[in-house]
Order: sequence, then structure tokens, then C-alpha cells
Amino acid sequence: NAGVTQTPKFQVLKTGQSMTLQCAQDMNHEYMSWYRQDPGMGLRLIHYSVGAGITDQGEVPNGYNVSRSTTEDFPLRLLSAAPSQTSVYFCASTWRSSYNEQFFGPGTRLTVL
Amino acid sequence: TQLLEQSPQFLSIQEGENLTVYCNSSSVFSSLQWYRQEPGEGPVLLVTVVTGGEVKKLKRLTFQFGDARKDSSLHITAAQPGDTGLYLCAGADFNKFYFGSGTKLNVKP
Repeated sequence: NAGVTQTPKFQVLKTGQSMTLQCAQDMNHEYMSWYRQDPGMGLRLIHYSVGAGITDQGEVPNGYNVSRSTTEDFPLRLLSAAPSQTSVYFCASTWRSSYNEQFFGPGTRLTVL
Repeated sequence: TQLLEQSPQFLSIQEGENLTVYCNSSSVFSSLQWYRQEPGEGPVLLVTVVTGGEVKKLKRLTFQFGDARKDSSLHITAAQPGDTGLYLCAGADFNKFYFGSGTKLNVKP
């Protein structure tokens, strides 16, 4: 099993550009989520999904879109990148219960100039 | 605004010392998890605590969930250089997970 995979690992964008961060898991997990990690801030939830076709907002959803057309994939779209979106982005998956371990991907380091 | 406050933010100790990391909140959580993160990698789960007052031990690590399920602590006995990393607590509220800002631990040989 590959677990949770994320691409790309690094990305540099110019202000106003759009892009999609890819996330896939092969563990048949129902729950998937996106976080951003900034220095001194821990991880903050951007969007999450409890199953295919169902998404919801987390703490910091503005400027990001998600969709969940399959159980395996949960892409994160930046519509018009801003310097404030410079961060490390982590995708995670788990079984639906909040008692279960979240498995994290290796992260995408995004810089917006 | 951080829902979960961790303290201390940074901790640098000598090998063999004991330490405690705290995770506090004014909110009640259905469960609380502790993760460890190495540079350039995603967090990895250490433990999940569910019941108020629960204590779990993982070798030299002891985790406690407060009676009111609002706070937790992580105690490491006889720290080793391999314990170096960023320790994060995370509270679960229905389908959302809230992370603390983390405690960066450095254990010097």
C-alpha cells in the first residue's frame, strides 16, 4: 500500500495563478481532509470530506475549493493564489470515526510570489 | 484563534531528563490525539485518548486526558535524542480535528 500520496512536493506560483494539489489514498478510507501548516500555528483544517460526493468547510476554507468524485482522490484547488497561501499543505485520511488515526501524506510546500 | 493551546512552545533538554508537554482548551472534545512530526514529513499518530481521566502509556511516554475532556498532557521519562521532534495535540469535534500549535522538543546527547 502506498498510503496517502501528494503531488507535487514543491511548487512556486505567481500571485493570481491557479493550481490543483493532488491527494490520493489506497486504504479505502471514507474521511479525507486538507490542512495547511504555518510556522507557530500547528495544522489548520481547510476542507474535509466524509465520503464521495460530500465535502465541507474547515477552519480556513477561503480561497480554496475541493471536490470528492471518488473515494480515493481529494484534490485541493487554489483559484487565484495569494502570498498569504504560502504554506505547507498536508492531506490526511482516516476511517470515519474521530477516534481513528489520521494518516498524513508527505506534504506539498507551496510558495506564492 | 487557536482552539488548543500547547505549552511550552520550545523545549531543549539533556538526554535522560524528564519533561511534560501540556495541551489545554476551553472546549470539550470527543477524543484527543497526540502526533509527532519530523522535519519534511507528515505527523504520525502516537496515541488517542477518549475517556475523561484516561491514562495511556507507550514505553517511556505517558499520556493523560483531563477529567473534563478539555486538556491533556504528555510526559516523557528519560528523554532520548530519538524523541526529538514536533509534538502536536489534536482534538476531535464531530468531523473536525483541531490541532495545537505544537511543542518543538530537542533532546541533546
